[in-house]
Amino acid sequence: AQKITQTQPGMFVQEKEAVTLDCTYDTSDQSYGLFWYKQPSSGEMIFLIYQGSYDEQNATEGRYSLNFQKARKSANLVISASQLGDSAMYFCAIFISGGYQKVTFGTGTKLQVIP
Amino acid sequence: EAGVVQSPRYKIIEKKQPVAFWCNPISGHNTLYWYLQNLGQGPELLIRYENEEAVDDSQLPKDRFSAERLKGVDSTLKIQPAELGDSAVYLCASSLRGGQQETQYFGPGTRLLVL
Repeated sequence: AQKITQTQPGMFVQEKEAVTLDCTYDTSDQSYGLFWYKQPSSGEMIFLIYQGSYDEQNATEGRYSLNFQKARKSANLVISASQLGDSAMYFCAIFISGGYQKVTFGTGTKLQVIP
Repeated sequence: EAGVVQSPRYKIIEKKQPVAFWCNPISGHNTLYWYLQNLGQGPELLIRYENEEAVDDSQLPKDRFSAERLKGVDSTLKIQPAELGDSAVYLCASSLRGGQQETQYFGPGTRLLVL
């Protein structure tokens, strides 16, 4: 079975600074995808970024980048130039593709951006 | 393009009462997910549909929970009878089957409170 671990229950970052949110995963499958979602206090899960297990380059989406280290099974999210609106819960998730698709979310990290 | 629609947004019921949640996925998305999210936790998959077929319902408590996706579009999740421990947010998500990146797009969720 696959597993996602987010070891930081809460993080603080100064506005305009960069912050890294940690995510490690465990799976025996070779084909999988890693996702990051943002969940503000309103409750909706917002897709941020995706990294495929066979992608050689780290994914980037605007101010979001994913530091993918396959050998270490880590998929950390980097947010550059933090904004007050970035304050939210952030969830890492793994999606196992193939015949028996499985998806597992981590427990989340609460990020607070300080003015 | 409209996102995933869920209703109701909030529901308060007494224990032992039945309750139903409705989800309309993004147009053209053939895969639909129902998740349960407890406070401070990540979403946990309850059931996944591909078109009309429930392809993964291993985490659905079948003694009190049921779901259907008639015609492969809208879906309903039902709890009967509800228990105090069912108080949570119920999230619906949809994705387009095919390819490794199957990004799930979430609805706003239904917040259930069982008294």
